[in-house]
Amino acid sequence: KQEVTQIPAALSVPEGENLVLNCSFTDSAIYNLQWFRQDPGKGLTSLLLIQSSQREQTSGRLNASLDKSSGRSTLYIAASQPGDSATYLCAVGRANFGNEKLTFGTGTRLTIIP
Amino acid sequence: DAGVIQSPRHEVTEMGQEVTLRCKPISGHNSLFWYRQTMMRGLELLIYFNNNVPIDDSGMPEDRFSAKMPNASFSTLKIQPSEPRDSAVYFCASSWTSGRAVTGELFFGEGSRLTVL
Repeated sequence: KQEVTQIPAALSVPEGENLVLNCSFTDSAIYNLQWFRQDPGKGLTSLLLIQSSQREQTSGRLNASLDKSSGRSTLYIAASQPGDSATYLCAVGRANFGNEKLTFGTGTRLTIIP
Repeated sequence: DAGVIQSPRHEVTEMGQEVTLRCKPISGHNSLFWYRQTMMRGLELLIYFNNNVPIDDSGMPEDRFSAKMPNASFSTLKIQPSEPRDSAVYFCASSWTSGRAVTGELFFGEGSRLTVL
């Protein structure tokens, strides 16, 4: 059974700093990996999707990497801003099932200090 | 596009009452998911539809839960009778599927927060 872990559960950093969020998974037979952002009382917003054949994806100040063999993904946020404060979740799609069998991590709650 | 639309946003009900949650997926998407989020268990997939057909309902907790998708633009999740342990945020998500596996990004609604007293 796939298990997805995100450590730390919470992180506070000063505005302007670069930061890395971590996601690890136990079964490397994945279809894809997605990073989501969740604001309090809101739904999830997809940030980046990495297919299993890819190593990384970039969108603006965000860069996500994937290392299937070690079961790890990182989300790099450059030049952090207070608006980046949210909970970030990673989700792993099972091979041959894609998004049908997503396993979510419990998230990292990020606070950017002005 | 308006995104995935869910209603109601908040529902407070008493134990034993029927609860119906509604979802309108993004136009053109052919896959629809119902998730439940709690502090203890995180996000859990309840059921998944593809082209209006339920594909996997193994996550539905028990017979008190049922879901329907009568057409491509509407789905319901019903709980009857409701219990306090059903209190959670219920999310609907949609995506585009090409072939067997769901390949596109998931787009989530803002959720329906259910409280069962």
